[in-house]
Amino acid sequence: KAGVTQTPRYLIKTRGQQVTLSCSPISGHRSVSWYQQTPGQGLQFLFEYFSETQRNKGNFPGRFSGRQFSNSRSEMNVSTLELGDSALYLCASSQRTGTPYEQYFGPGTRLTVT
Amino acid sequence: QQQVKQSPQSLIVQKGGISIINCAYENTAFDYFPWYQQFPGKGPALLIAIRPDVSEKKEGRFTISFNKSAKQFSLHIMDSQPGDSATYFCAAFGSGSARQLTFGSGTQLTVLP
Repeated sequence: KAGVTQTPRYLIKTRGQQVTLSCSPISGHRSVSWYQQTPGQGLQFLFEYFSETQRNKGNFPGRFSGRQFSNSRSEMNVSTLELGDSALYLCASSQRTGTPYEQYFGPGTRLTVT
Repeated sequence: QQQVKQSPQSLIVQKGGISIINCAYENTAFDYFPWYQQFPGKGPALLIAIRPDVSEKKEGRFTISFNKSAKQFSLHIMDSQPGDSATYFCAAFGSGSARQLTFGSGTQLTVLP
């Protein structure tokens, strides 16, 4: 099976712009979770989508949003970018049934905000 | 209550030695404890995981020890190899508001040849 794929792998944006990141889960996985990784804050949970519905949300401002499509692919959007949004954004997929807790990560999208 | 505390921050071990990384949690809603390994430029990879109904789980050179009463768990890497040099994260996952991976701060392991 192919792993989790994320596009693009690298992005450079200017403060105030918005950005959309994409994640394709492992085939058969219907849950997609997003995480932000920074040197200062480590790995932090953003939100989880399952069956096109947000199921859980971390402690991030409303500028961070997401959605999931019927094929389980997910997108994450960050509006009005700030310098502090520079991070590695990771998505992880899981089955959410059977062994729902096993989450498999993609390689991430490295976002740099200048 | 969502925190997972991990130590040490960095660890240097000789080839063939044992690497030990420790984690502690507070939230009793956590019921699944995975360890992830991350190499530079890659996403975290699931290494091994344990549920609190067992005290130890072993997979190859990797062992998780779990102490439910102390709310602590640890990763032991036996016969450490230079290829094990990476950042290791412990995590916890649970139900309700804890239904998300809560990560420790990470341990940068260096195995010297």
